[in-house]
Order: sequence, then structure tokens, then C-alpha cells
Amino acid sequence: DTAVSQTPKYLVTQMGNDKSIKCEQNLGHDTMYWYKQDSKKFLKIMFSYNNKELIINETVPNRFSPKSPDKAHLNLHINSLELGDSAVYFCASSQGDSSYGYTFGSGTRLTVV
Amino acid sequence: AQSVTQPDIHITVSEGASLELRCNYSYGATPYLFWYVQSPGQGLQLLLKYFSGDTLVQGIKGFEAEFKRSQSSFNLRKPSVHWSDAAEYFCAVGAGGTSYGKLTFGQGTILTVHP
Repeated sequence: DTAVSQTPKYLVTQMGNDKSIKCEQNLGHDTMYWYKQDSKKFLKIMFSYNNKELIINETVPNRFSPKSPDKAHLNLHINSLELGDSAVYFCASSQGDSSYGYTFGSGTRLTVV
Repeated sequence: AQSVTQPDIHITVSEGASLELRCNYSYGATPYLFWYVQSPGQGLQLLLKYFSGDTLVQGIKGFEAEFKRSQSSFNLRKPSVHWSDAAEYFCAVGAGGTSYGKLTFGQGTILTVHP
């Protein structure tokens, strides 16, 4: 069983479109995250949710909207996609704060053309 | 604000040789420190972590790391590298408080292993 699963794995779309990425974890963790990995492999946090409550919202354009229907799911919706949104988006989860580390999903490679 | 520096972008070693990947962090209090490994097209896998206690921590796949507060370092080591260790390695620092749950990652070090 996959611990943190993301769908889709690959997403190719045109500029201006709206798309969503879904994430689910079956570890019983109470905190979930979205990270963006750019073309230089730099990983930067976007959002974190603890028990469905938004905890961290880094400087991310408001075209990005996370939604956590329950503590096992964290989805990311992106409006009006731009070329610069092309990246790999990773979902992760942890129990409580990050002191025990995260479990990462395998990533969603988003390409905006 | 916390930050992490991995001074080496790319390291090449021969199979069977020892390995040390450097990591320096900046954080005001005692940090949580991590090493992750990422194989091509994959997510990140946790190798080991430090948040208190013994400053030499053991991880999976034969890796270890030593926390040195005086040097603000958390270097990753392996005595004998295998070809399957070729991957990209990321050091990360975590914090609580208002940064609850946030990990800050270094730029990564690509490891190439020659036969």
C-alpha cells in the first residue's frame, strides 16, 4: 500500500487552464504539506495543514488554493496556469510537527505549455 | 529564519570508496535535522534524522550523520559506497513555533558513483 499517493503523476496543460492535483495519505498523520521543486531541484514549502486547518501559507500566488476535506487528504487547485508553474509538486505528511520527518509522495510533474 | 547550505553541487566517488556530503545550517535554537535521498523520478526518502540525544545518528542503507553544534554542521557519511547510492541527497532543517512543520531544504548534492 502506498503511504502518500498523488494523482496524477504527470500533467501537461496549456497556459490559462485550471488544474487540480490530489493527495491522500494512509499513515494516520495529522499534518500534510505541498512542496514545489523547481527545475534546479530546489524544494520550497507552499502550504501545510494540520487537522484540516491551514498552518503555513508561504508567499504563493493566490491562483494556488489548497483544500483539505479531511486530515487524510490535501488537494491543490491551480487557476490560470502560467509557464512558471511548471515544476514537480510533492505532497508530504507528518505526525505533528516535522520533528520526525516527512513521508513524501512520488510527485506530480506539471508542464505548462 | 532557518537556512541550509550544501556546498557541493556534485560529487563523484568510486564504488567502495568512502563518502562525506556536507551540510551547514542556520537556526537560532536546537534544530531538527534530516537527510533525504531522491532517485530520478522519485519522491524523497528519509535516510536519517536528528533532534536530540546522541550526536551521531545511524540511518538506513548504511548511512550515518554527525551533528556538530559548534560548526553548525550535519554531514552525511558512508564508509563504502555502492553503485545504487547514486542519487541526489538533500539536507533539511525543521523548526517548531510559527514555522510549525516547515522543513527548509538545501540545494541538494548529486552523487555519481563510478564502477
